[in-house]
Amino acid sequence: DIQMTQSPSTLSASVGDRVTITCRASQSIGNSLAWYQRKPGKVPKLLMFKASTLESGVPSRFSGGGSGTEFTLTISSLQPDDFATYYCQQYSASWTFGQGTRVEIK
Amino acid sequence: EVQLLESGGGLVQPGGSLKLSCVGSGFTFNRYAMSWVRLAPGKGLEWVSTINDNARGTYYADSVKGRFTISRDNSRNTVWLQVSSLTIEDTALYSCVKSGTPGALYYFDYWGQGALVTVSS
Repeated sequence: DIQMTQSPSTLSASVGDRVTITCRASQSIGNSLAWYQRKPGKVPKLLMFKASTLESGVPSRFSGGGSGTEFTLTISSLQPDDFATYYCQQYSASWTFGQGTRVEIK
Repeated sequence: EVQLLESGGGLVQPGGSLKLSCVGSGFTFNRYAMSWVRLAPGKGLEWVSTINDNARGTYYADSVKGRFTISRDNSRNTVWLQVSSLTIEDTALYSCVKSGTPGALYYFDYWGQGALVTVSS
């Protein structure tokens, strides 16, 4: 099974900060990676797929990169609406989520 | 507008069973794989099971294999998850999820609000 490891687990940041979340796969997954945002009481929202393709309607301050085993999600200028938990997910072989990264207000 | 509406959750004793249902609307149901993902209290998202568009392929997480069964009826735009031999560790919000690409087993693009399964004696 492919394991996904996100870092950090928690990230404290301020509005306007540039933040980056890293996701590592236990084996190569090509670009079969998606990112989701989840807020308490709300359903998860797809942000990115194929590692770097922005889902329709997602603000351009979100960007994704990487391939193989190492991936990043970057928010170029953190907005109040962005404080949430972010998950990566591989879909190369079955499906596996990372453990999540909580982005909190500093 | 894509909508996924789950039902069938509840309180069940360890060893018990439930059948979760999900009705999809706002998209061509028979073109998309459907999945179940759960969120346990204090934990992260866990993929549970997927069924492909024509129901000929089913996939399960190791943690539920042999205990859970996924099925679908495209004439009713419905997918089910039969959960059996439940343990306390199965307590979670179970969400029905739509695949993002027709005919493919890729990422998920729409999620239902979920059905809460509580396993307790």
